Amino acid sequence: DTGVSQDPRHKITKRGQNVTFRCDPISEHNRLYWYRQTLGQGPEFLTYFQNEAQLEKSRLLSDRFSAERPKGSFSTLEIQRTEQGDSAMYLCASSPGQGAYEQYFGPGTRLTVT
Amino acid sequence: AQRVTQPEKLLSVFKGAPVELKCNYSYSGSPELFWYVQYSRQRLQLLLRHISRESIKGFTADLNKGETSFHLKKPFAQEEDSAMYYCALRGLWGANNLFFGTGTRLTVIP
Repeated sequence: DTGVSQDPRHKITKRGQNVTFRCDPISEHNRLYWYRQTLGQGPEFLTYFQNEAQLEKSRLLSDRFSAERPKGSFSTLEIQRTEQGDSAMYLCASSPGQGAYEQYFGPGTRLTVT
Repeated sequence: AQRVTQPEKLLSVFKGAPVELKCNYSYSGSPELFWYVQYSRQRLQLLLRHISRESIKGFTADLNKGETSFHLKKPFAQEEDSAMYYCALRGLWGANNLFFGTGTRLTVIP
């Protein structure tokens, strides 16, 4: 399968713990996006990378959230000191370079904070 | 502010009946709009984009700037059209983020 992959698919953690999610984009896609989706809502944009550079960040991305894409390939999203409100589906998407408009989504990581 | 509104959370139609999923947007500028679809147990995927003016799986969507709408239509619904549909708006000045509506779950009754 050459689509976007995310790991883990499910994560249950206790409030206050740190969690890290990984996203592997489609090979050679230089753009990578993170979204968060809560129950009954559409995906909400969190952040965007072009290669290894983080170019856009939403105000939703509090200082407890950090994202990296160190070599311009896979990306990680870390949440520190998790809160119950962080419970959501975290979606990753990728797209080819300039002029491409379609974003290809991964299956998501479902986070439950107890 | 940019916003996408999908007024119907649920929509049920009979097979063979026309279907229209509503989407309204607010945007200062020239909008770029999309419909994404998520079938059961599948990933979110692009259905169509307003600029291309294509018909995909029998669906069409016309951008109406006067009414700030981008409704998705299909003349004859099929059972396989049952899915979650999201309208999305590209960020200002061609930014790379998408603003999604809350989605409409379409159920086509056999």
